[in-house]
Amino acid sequence: DAGVIQSPRHEVTEMGQEVTLRCKPISGHNSLFWYRQTMMRGLELLIYFNNNVPIDDSGMPEDRFSAKMPNASFSTLKIQPSEPRDSAVYFCASNPFPIPRLYIRGYGYTFGSGTRLTVV
Amino acid sequence: AQSVAQPEDQVNVAEGNPLTVKCTYSVSGNPYLFWYVQYPNRGLQFLLKYITGDNLVKGSYGFEAEFNKSQTSFHLKKPSALVSDSALYFCAVSGRMDSSYKLIFGSGTRLLVRP
Repeated sequence: DAGVIQSPRHEVTEMGQEVTLRCKPISGHNSLFWYRQTMMRGLELLIYFNNNVPIDDSGMPEDRFSAKMPNASFSTLKIQPSEPRDSAVYFCASNPFPIPRLYIRGYGYTFGSGTRLTVV
Repeated sequence: AQSVAQPEDQVNVAEGNPLTVKCTYSVSGNPYLFWYVQYPNRGLQFLLKYITGDNLVKGSYGFEAEFNKSQTSFHLKKPSALVSDSALYFCAVSGRMDSSYKLIFGSGTRLLVRP
């Protein structure tokens, strides 16, 4: 199993440009999460999907951020327009169980390697 | 509100010595507690969890953690540290009510094991 695959690994873009981050969850995992990691705020949950449906997007910072999951094997996180304060590492994670069985089965999330975004 | 505190930014230990990485939490009701490890330029890897039952939880790579309800703590431990254990460690908590799926992470503790 290749694990959770994120692309690109690194992205440098100019302020105002659109940025799209991509995630391929583990096959068969039906829950997908987007997290953002910064020094100041640590790890923040941005949005969560279950069976391709967004369940909770209360962590999305503002309207410039949007996420989609058109099918079970692909998700995108888009920032338009990007700003320097969006610079962070963005992680995607997946899990094979819907909430709340998430924890009962003893499974933790499987994280991707992240996308390091730098907005200049 | 749920919160996690990792009071130490960095823990230094010599190889072969026991290590402890501290974590305290605040959550309504009974918590689900987790430890994750992050190696450089990698995603987070699940180490162990506490859901219910035995307060001493054993996880990957020889790590264990003890749930202490009275002290609201979930410290990560290992009897004998390895240089390869050097990494960033995150404690996480999730409540069992309302948004119980939402994992709240601590700020992380960098573990440095000296040869």
